[in-house]
Amino acid sequence: SQQGEEDPQALSIQEGENATMNCSYKTSINNLQWYRQNSGRGLVHLILIRSNEREKHSGRLRVTLDTSKKSSSLLITASRAADTASYFCATDGAGANSKLTFGKGITLSVRP
Amino acid sequence: DADVTQTPRNRITKTGKRIMLECSQTKGHDRMYWYRQDPGLGLRLIYYSFDVKDINKGEISDGYSVSRQAQAKFSLSLESAIPNQTALYFCATMGTGANVLTFGAGSRLTVL
Repeated sequence: SQQGEEDPQALSIQEGENATMNCSYKTSINNLQWYRQNSGRGLVHLILIRSNEREKHSGRLRVTLDTSKKSSSLLITASRAADTASYFCATDGAGANSKLTFGKGITLSVRP
Repeated sequence: DADVTQTPRNRITKTGKRIMLECSQTKGHDRMYWYRQDPGLGLRLIYYSFDVKDINKGEISDGYSVSRQAQAKFSLSLESAIPNQTALYFCATMGTGANVLTFGAGSRLTVL
């Protein structure tokens, strides 16, 4: 069963705009991660936020975590056409013993 | 060379055939995983292994088996393939204490 559920399922924006993607989960976590997948390729790790952290930045990426609401958001600022991809949140559940559970993913399209 | 290599990249087979998907890694990671990706369903964990003598079922292990031949090699077998095993299969690795997955490029399997 999926632990993380992303929202929206699909997002289309203009180049230069910001993209915000959300993830909700159900049980306690050690950390939450975001991955990116270009069409038909392997997933690539973007950023990890631990359960005791509230916000983290990496380049144009900003991720927040609200453990009271069991939700996270990924913000991509100043989007580029090359950001077009699918994005997945993955949770490392407390007691899950290093088994990441992935959501269904968000398809982001950035129009040039 | 890729850190995580999957072979074959594409395979078309017939119902009832035995299929093996192979994964090798140069990361030196102890933990290896097999995931399956279906459109709209995200990634689901099939099997995982924390070392050569440790094999564990994931959420969808029925119809699959695995072998950890060495620290660097983890193969997935479909003993008798069926059409609903048509999917994109990913091998991934994780270093001890790292919590982040490194994915292979994927193996696309079609069962007719």
